[in-house]
Amino acid sequence: NAGVTQTPKFRILKIGQSMTLQCTQDMNHNYMYWYRQDPGMGLKLIYYSVGAGITDKGEVPNGYNVSRSTTEDFPLRLELAAPSQTSVYFCASSPTRWTLHFGNGTRLTVT
Amino acid sequence: DAKTTQPPSMDCAEGRAANLPCNHSTISGNEYVYWYRQIHSQGPQYIIHGLKNNETNEMASLIITEDRKSSTLILPHATLRDTAVYYCIVRVNRDDKIIFGKGTRLHILP
Repeated sequence: NAGVTQTPKFRILKIGQSMTLQCTQDMNHNYMYWYRQDPGMGLKLIYYSVGAGITDKGEVPNGYNVSRSTTEDFPLRLELAAPSQTSVYFCASSPTRWTLHFGNGTRLTVT
Repeated sequence: DAKTTQPPSMDCAEGRAANLPCNHSTISGNEYVYWYRQIHSQGPQYIIHGLKNNETNEMASLIITEDRKSSTLILPHATLRDTAVYYCIVRVNRDDKIIFGKGTRLHILP
């Protein structure tokens, strides 16, 4: 199994641009999560999903959108990028809510 | 979910046991204690979790006090590869969200 795969690994955006961070998992996990981590800080939950077709807001959802049309994929959309969204974004999946399996992250810079 | 308090940083000599404390004095009866760690620039890694009883796996041991208001994660023989930020989380099992705090930065000294 590849586990949780995030693409791209790095990205630089200009203010106001949009992009989609991709996350896919091949473990057939129902639960998926998006976190962001600012430099030197802990992780903040952006959005999560308990199964295909179901999403819910986390701690810091403003400026982001998600969709979950399949069990495998959980893309995160930034519509109007702002410097405050410069961060490392981690996607995670879980089979039962007990344990999270994380991807390697996407490092995003907005200038 | 109950709030947790962890020291911001700790040092431990290589080969010694690393004991990482976590205070969760407002924990309720159905909240579990979870531990994750994050090695520099990687995604966090699950270590262990427990409810009341002490737990042990291949990575670590979790000691929960009888009143459940605090716990200690023990890495029995710390190596340089254990240098990481360690997060203590308490949550209700039925809760879908997992919220991370600031964690403890553990430095293993050669």
